[in-house]
Amino acid sequence: GAVVSQHPSRVICKSGTSVKIECRSLDFQATTMFWYRQFPKQSLMLMATSNEGSKATYEQGVEKDKFLINHASLTLSTLTVTSAHPEDSSFYICSAEKRTGWNEQFFGPGTRLTVL
Amino acid sequence: GIQVEQSPPDLILQEGANSTLRCNFSDSVNNLQWFHQNPWGQLINLFYIPSGTKQNGRLSATTVATERYSLLYISSSQTTDSGVYFCAVITGANSKLTFGKGITLSVRP
Repeated sequence: GAVVSQHPSRVICKSGTSVKIECRSLDFQATTMFWYRQFPKQSLMLMATSNEGSKATYEQGVEKDKFLINHASLTLSTLTVTSAHPEDSSFYICSAEKRTGWNEQFFGPGTRLTVL
Repeated sequence: GIQVEQSPPDLILQEGANSTLRCNFSDSVNNLQWFHQNPWGQLINLFYIPSGTKQNGRLSATTVATERYSLLYISSSQTTDSGVYFCAVITGANSKLTFGKGITLSVRP
């Protein structure tokens, strides 16, 4: 199997607070994980690539100080939205790359963030 | 960067009908995946298919890499097939997926 979990599935927070989202590969090791953001009725937008034991690589236009990524182990990556504002409200999805000779990605169920 | 175009953008089917979803891409690819995003937002892997043809139950997919397109076939559609279907590709040495805009499928009972 290739199961990826995310926690929490839904979070509501006040403006100015920080929120941490966890992404775990449950039955395989993932040296590389990815974080995406999806707005309503739109496609997925890659935010950053997270590599175990090294700094994340951010896509152009994504603030690295606002979206902190930590990939501390082969099965866990975290995304922290710092000093959240209403415009950060979105659906955040992670994926983990399973290296089986080809680079297939498996996705978590997503986290819906609402900033009041 | 590579362009990924999916068509049609929206599709409405009567239960039991067949359909073909198309994905065109502008450059050669190392990886192509089809996903189904269900109404709760979960992306479900349908096919890993950089080339050739694969079948899984009522679904099948064909990628013609030399002509830069992939097709997803859904036969005998069911209401549970409703949702958004995404095609995504990887080019070059990195593992970053580039997604199309998706095809919204509604299957009516």
